[in-house]
Amino acid sequence: DAGVIQSPRHEVTEMGQEVTLRCKPISGHNSLFWYRQTMMRGLELLIYFNNNVPIDDSGMPEDRFSAKMPNASFSTLKIQPSEPRDSAVYFCASSFLGLGTGELFFGEGSRLTVL
Amino acid sequence: AQSVTQLDSQVPVFEEAPVELRCNYSSSVSVYLFWYVQYPNQGLQLLLKYLSGSTLVKGINGFEAEFNKSQTSFHLRKPSVHISDTAEYFCAVSITGGFKTIFGAGTRLFVKA
Repeated sequence: DAGVIQSPRHEVTEMGQEVTLRCKPISGHNSLFWYRQTMMRGLELLIYFNNNVPIDDSGMPEDRFSAKMPNASFSTLKIQPSEPRDSAVYFCASSFLGLGTGELFFGEGSRLTVL
Repeated sequence: AQSVTQLDSQVPVFEEAPVELRCNYSSSVSVYLFWYVQYPNQGLQLLLKYLSGSTLVKGINGFEAEFNKSQTSFHLRKPSVHISDTAEYFCAVSITGGFKTIFGAGTRLFVKA
């Protein structure tokens, strides 16, 4: 299996611009998670989906952030408008809940820099 | 709510020495426990997990961890580290059957020659 695939790996943008991060989960997994990693705050869970339905978005920092999962093989995390404090590495992870292990499989991350 | 505390932010150690990375958790319900490793510029990958049964869990790369329910701890150990073990290590907890996985702040292991 190809694993979780994220794009872009690196994104540099200017404040105010729209940013879209993409994720393809592992085929057959039914849950998808978006995490943000910064030096100051560590790994934060932003939102997670089960069977393409958002279950908990309480970690989404502001209304500027939105996430969608239109089908089982694709998800996006959008920031509009972006701000310098959004600079971080954004990870997507997938899992198959039902096996009961809760093990997460992570992508390699999208490093976002907002100038 | 669940929480995870990793007691050391950085652990420097010489090659071939033993190492222990400490993790304590808090939860009012039963949990699954995990250790993940993150190498530079990569995502996290699972080292080992405790679901139930034997309290001593063996993982990849010679790592093991011991679940101690009375002390609510899940410390990670390796008897002899290599330079290639230099990475950041995350302890994590999830409610059994639940969706959320909560991560600790991470411990940076630095192995010196």
